[in-house]
Amino acid sequence: DARVTQTPRHKVTEMGQEVTMRCQPILGHNTVFWYRQTMMQGLELLAYFRNRAPLDDSGMPKDRFSAEMPDATLATLKIQPSEPRDSAVYFCASGSSGTLASGNRNEQFFGPGTRLTVL
Amino acid sequence: AQSVTQLDSHVSVSEGTPVLLRCNYSSSYSPSLFWYVQHPNKGLQLLLKYTSAATLVKGINGFEAEFKKSETSFHLTKPSAHMSDAAEYFCVVGRANAGNMLTFGGGTRLMVKP
Repeated sequence: DARVTQTPRHKVTEMGQEVTMRCQPILGHNTVFWYRQTMMQGLELLAYFRNRAPLDDSGMPKDRFSAEMPDATLATLKIQPSEPRDSAVYFCASGSSGTLASGNRNEQFFGPGTRLTVL
Repeated sequence: AQSVTQLDSHVSVSEGTPVLLRCNYSSSYSPSLFWYVQHPNKGLQLLLKYTSAATLVKGINGFEAEFKKSETSFHLTKPSAHMSDAAEYFCVVGRANAGNMLTFGGGTRLMVKP
């Protein structure tokens, strides 16, 4: 049963510390997305990769956030330094930007999320 | 540009009664449309999707949605609500010509009373 995995599932840290969240997309998928979910803002797209290249990170605060894909099986989202306002659930999703005939046009598969609390 | 509007932020039904969650979209192209469900403290799970095949789409857990182009709607329905259906539901449109980027609606929280 292929699924997106995320680690850690929960992270509590103090303001100013570095936080790294990891995501393993479904094998064979060529797109990866990072989202942040809060009560106030709902779901926000932070970054979007296709074939490991960043295509859109306009939703990400550039001064403290960074997203990378060191290889096709790993995506990372890093916050340095972290702040209390970064407290949220961070979701990773993957998909296949195939053709309509593939039947999976636009579909994204979500991981379970990382719940981050910055004190 | 594409957008999605979920007309109700909260819906409350009694167990065993029908569920209707409303969604309107705007899109310049023939859209892909999805409904995702998120149970408390869980990730998002795909309920169903429309990708220009049949306009009535059946999903998991007895849910279905009908694509109505003339009304630009994609409402989610279920004949009989179950307590386990209590969750947040997101209507989503796929962005044309943008790989598989998605535009999310604001979400509808479904509450099911015993």
